[in-house]
Amino acid sequence: NAGVTQTPKFRVLKTGQSMTLLCAQDMNHEYMYWYRQDPGMGLRLIHYSVGEGTTAKGEVPDGYNVSRLKKQNFLLGLESAAPSQTSVYFCASSYSGLLTGELFFGEGSRLTVL
Amino acid sequence: AQSVTQLGSHVSVSEGALVLLRCNYSSSVPPYLFWYVQYPNQGLQLLLKYTTGATLVKGINGFEAEFKKSETSFHLTKPSAHMSDAAEYFCAVSDRGNQGGKLIFGQGTELSVKP
Repeated sequence: NAGVTQTPKFRVLKTGQSMTLLCAQDMNHEYMYWYRQDPGMGLRLIHYSVGEGTTAKGEVPDGYNVSRLKKQNFLLGLESAAPSQTSVYFCASSYSGLLTGELFFGEGSRLTVL
Repeated sequence: AQSVTQLGSHVSVSEGALVLLRCNYSSSVPPYLFWYVQYPNQGLQLLLKYTTGATLVKGINGFEAEFKKSETSFHLTKPSAHMSDAAEYFCAVSDRGNQGGKLIFGQGTELSVKP
């Protein structure tokens, strides 16, 4: 069972470069999320999606864009990377966003912006 | 607005000792409460959750937590620590009216277990 898969797992960017993180889930989940994890700050929600073709802003959306063209994929884009975006990014999915709240997480993507 | 506070960013216990990780929340409506665990270089996985019913909930690996509404707390305990429990633990809250299923996470508590 693949679950939630994130690619790439590691990436180093220079300031101003762009990149896209891909999240894929094979559990037919409606809800998908992008979080960033920084030391001492826990996980903070960047953007989320409640279904194919829909996206919404989370706590820290600035500097990021997302797309959910297919139900199984959720893309996170950085148009012009900044050092403040150095972080570990986690994608998660959930069958039912309202009832159980159980999120299934990928293994993370570590991004360094120089 | 909802928030979660985990008391202590780092907790160290001896193997076989009681584990107590503290979590307090604020929410204007009855919340759903969760504990997640993160092992090194891995994603988070659900330990246990409280949604409704019995306020003492049991999770995987011998962990349990008790929802105390009067204290707005959801502390995580385990009677006897094992070396394999060393990890980072996150408390999270979601309100019942939350259409997006969004979780608000605490800052995390790193648990170390000494032999």
